[in-house]
Amino acid sequence: DAGVIQSPRHEVTEMGQEVTLRCKPISGHNSLFWYRQTMMRGLELLIYFNNNVPIDDSGMPEDRFSAKMPNASFSTLKIQPSEPRDSAVYFCASSNRGSNTEAFFGQGTRLTVV
Amino acid sequence: SQQGEEDPQALSIQEGENATMNCSYKTSINNLQWYRQNSGRGLVHLILIRSNEREKHSGRLRVTLDTSKKSSSLLITASRAADTASYFCATDAGHGNKLVFGAGTILRVKS
Repeated sequence: DAGVIQSPRHEVTEMGQEVTLRCKPISGHNSLFWYRQTMMRGLELLIYFNNNVPIDDSGMPEDRFSAKMPNASFSTLKIQPSEPRDSAVYFCASSNRGSNTEAFFGQGTRLTVV
Repeated sequence: SQQGEEDPQALSIQEGENATMNCSYKTSINNLQWYRQNSGRGLVHLILIRSNEREKHSGRLRVTLDTSKKSSSLLITASRAADTASYFCATDAGHGNKLVFGAGTILRVKS
């Protein structure tokens, strides 16, 4: 397996534009996580899914953020409209559901909103 | 809010020395994990210790867990320059597979 695949790797957009980040989890994994990493706030859990169902979205900062998982092999994180403070590295990770399991991370998407 | 907090925030040592990083957490857990992140890359899983375990080894890594103090430590023995990275602890916060990370320790190993 190629691991967790995220796209794009880098995204530069203007304030107010819609941004869509994409993630393909490892085949067979049934849990998927979206994290945001910044120097100031560290690694924050935004939302996670089990079997394509959102379980906990309490980390989603605002209504401008939304995430979907239409099937077991694809998820999106959308920011609309984007703001400069959304600039960060966004990571997607997947794992097999259940305790005592490790998460596998993608390489991240570096988002810059100007 | 973050579940785990690591200390020190940064650590600089000479190659060959041991590096110890600590993690404290707030709620009960099922397990605690340690991850490593090289600059500009995603996190990579190092080791997992269950709440009923007190110590675990993997190569040059040794992890301890004290659930009464809600703390864990990661020891890297005989460090190498290639160990230079950020190290994070993560807990499930007692919620199955929900993974919450601490702020991390930046380790620099000088050759």
